[in-house]
Amino acid sequence: EAQVTQNPRYLITVTGKKLTVTCSQNMNHEYMSWYRQDPGLGLRQIYYSMNVEVTDKGDVPEGYKVSRKEKRNFPLILESPSPNQTSLYFCASSLQRGIGALYTFGSGTRLTVV
Amino acid sequence: GENVEQHPSTLSVQEGDSAVIKCTYSDSASNYFPWYKQELGKRPQLIIDIRSNVGEKKDQRIAVTLNKTAKHFSLHITETQPEDSAVYFCAASSNYKLTFGKGTLLTVNP
Repeated sequence: EAQVTQNPRYLITVTGKKLTVTCSQNMNHEYMSWYRQDPGLGLRQIYYSMNVEVTDKGDVPEGYKVSRKEKRNFPLILESPSPNQTSLYFCASSLQRGIGALYTFGSGTRLTVV
Repeated sequence: GENVEQHPSTLSVQEGDSAVIKCTYSDSASNYFPWYKQELGKRPQLIIDIRSNVGEKKDQRIAVTLNKTAKHFSLHITETQPEDSAVYFCAASSNYKLTFGKGTLLTVNP
């Protein structure tokens, strides 16, 4: 089944403790992206990757890192999480082809930083 | 960069009525406009999309219209049902980046 898999689904952590949220897709998609969703703010892009070893900042990259060493994986790293990073996170992937960006979303990761 | 404005932020309708959600975008290079439905606790799901070379698209009870000149697009849901209750997001795509509106909470009252 074609899908984007995120782990974990839920995570509660303490301020300053490094964490990684994993994202993996099995569709051979070139494009992958991370979004955070907050009430009243919609989905805002954190980082994206056009292909292996090619990453770039989105609209809200502060406090986050990403890597794209393999085509299928795009982990989101919080080196020193803070309470304002408490949010619902979505990974998405898309096959680059002509016009448009048909995204497939992961199931989401609800992160709480205390 | 792209900026997408979405209105209204909340919309309450009676079952069987129509619902309309409107979005505007700023980047004239945007060429793809999807709409997503997100139920509580779930991921956004694509419900309909339109490309910049098309003015209108319909799929059963939902339709989307696009006015490129005015840079706005709208979602129309007819004969609403309680299961249509959800948050709806519009988005605009330029160079594969999707910029989302802030969402509309649609409540369909039985």
